[in-house]
Amino acid sequence: EAQVTQNPRYLITVTGKKLTVTCSQNMNHEYMSWYRQDPGLGLRQIYYSMNVEVTDKGDVPEGYKVSRKEKRNFPLILESPSPNQTSLYFCASSFWSGGGSAEAFFGQGTRLTVV
Amino acid sequence: AQSVTQLDSQVPVFEEAPVELRCNYSSSVSVYLFWYVQYPNQGLQLLLKYLSGSTLVESINGFEAEFNKSQTSFHLRKPSVHISDTAEYFCAVSEQGAQKLVFGQGTRLTINP
Repeated sequence: EAQVTQNPRYLITVTGKKLTVTCSQNMNHEYMSWYRQDPGLGLRQIYYSMNVEVTDKGDVPEGYKVSRKEKRNFPLILESPSPNQTSLYFCASSFWSGGGSAEAFFGQGTRLTVV
Repeated sequence: AQSVTQLDSQVPVFEEAPVELRCNYSSSVSVYLFWYVQYPNQGLQLLLKYLSGSTLVESINGFEAEFNKSQTSFHLRKPSVHISDTAEYFCAVSEQGAQKLVFGQGTRLTINP
């Protein structure tokens, strides 16, 4: 079954304690991205990757890191989480269409609470 | 840069009534348009998309959306809603030549019996 898998689904952590949210896709997609979803703001892109070892900032990258060492995996790293990073996070993947037309597949989401 | 505005944050309707969820976008180039649906405690799923051709696109569960270039709109409609349509709906735009999806703020559709 084609899917994007995120872990964990729920996470409560304390300010400053490094954490990683994993994301894996089994569709051989080149393009992967991370979004955060906040009430009234929709989804905002944090980082994206067009292929292995190619990553770039999205609209709200501050406080986050990513890496793309393998095509299937795209972890999101919070080196020093703060309460304003409490949010619902989604990983998404799509094949590279040359620009814009490919359907994005989303993971189930990770609800992060930073206290 | 492109942007998307969903004009209603919440839309309550009665079961079997028609519904329209409004979406307007702004872009200086040609775009692709999408509607995604998010059921409670789930990720987003593609509902329908406009890439080219006919400006009226349909989903398998009775939703349709019409691309109106002059009004820069992509409103979502369904003639008769069901309880199972309760979800949050997101309009998204992607500019041709760019893989990035830009989302609207979302519209929460609530169906009352």
